[in-house]
Amino acid sequence: NAGVTQTPKFRILKIGQSMTLQCAQDMNHNYMYWYRQDPGMGLKLIYYSVGAGITDKGEVPNGYNVSRSTTEDFPLRLELAAPSQTSVYFCASSTTGDMNTEAFFGQGTRLTVV
Amino acid sequence: ILNVEQSPQSLHVQEGDSTNFTCSFPSSNFYALHWYRWETAKSPEALFVMTLNGDEKKKGRISATLNTKEGYSYLYIKGSQPEDSATYLCALLLNNAGNMLTFGGGTRLMVKP
Repeated sequence: NAGVTQTPKFRILKIGQSMTLQCAQDMNHNYMYWYRQDPGMGLKLIYYSVGAGITDKGEVPNGYNVSRSTTEDFPLRLELAAPSQTSVYFCASSTTGDMNTEAFFGQGTRLTVV
Repeated sequence: ILNVEQSPQSLHVQEGDSTNFTCSFPSSNFYALHWYRWETAKSPEALFVMTLNGDEKKKGRISATLNTKEGYSYLYIKGSQPEDSATYLCALLLNNAGNMLTFGGGTRLMVKP
């Protein structure tokens, strides 16, 4: 069972470079999320999507963009990488907005901006 | 900004010890509380989803309680084992925040053999 798949696992970027973090899920989940996790901090929500074609900002969206053209894929784009974006990024998905729904996470992408 | 606070930040215990830690949150507009277990180099995995005041959930040696009126949840581990070493995250879902989970900072548990 693939679940939530993130690529790449690791990446080093130079300041000003751009990249796309890929996230795919094969569980037919409507809801998908991008979080970042900084040392000593909880997971902060960057963007989320409640279905194909619909995205919305989370708590820390600045410097990022997302798209949701299909139910399966939810890529996260960094246009001009900055050192403050050094973090571990997690993609997650859940079935619906039902309160009993747990989130399923990918294995994370560790990004370093130098 | 919604504050979901977890304490302690880290905890070292001996194998066989029982332990517990706390997740505190604002009690208004409560919808659900999630607990996740996150092992290093792996993805967070759900332990419990709790919705009702007084809820108690159990999975093996791990259990959790919920008090929505006073805004806290406890996670208990009975007879800790080295494989319980992980970061335990709680996350709050409010009924006026769509489906946005707000995470606490986590409690990092290390169990020494």
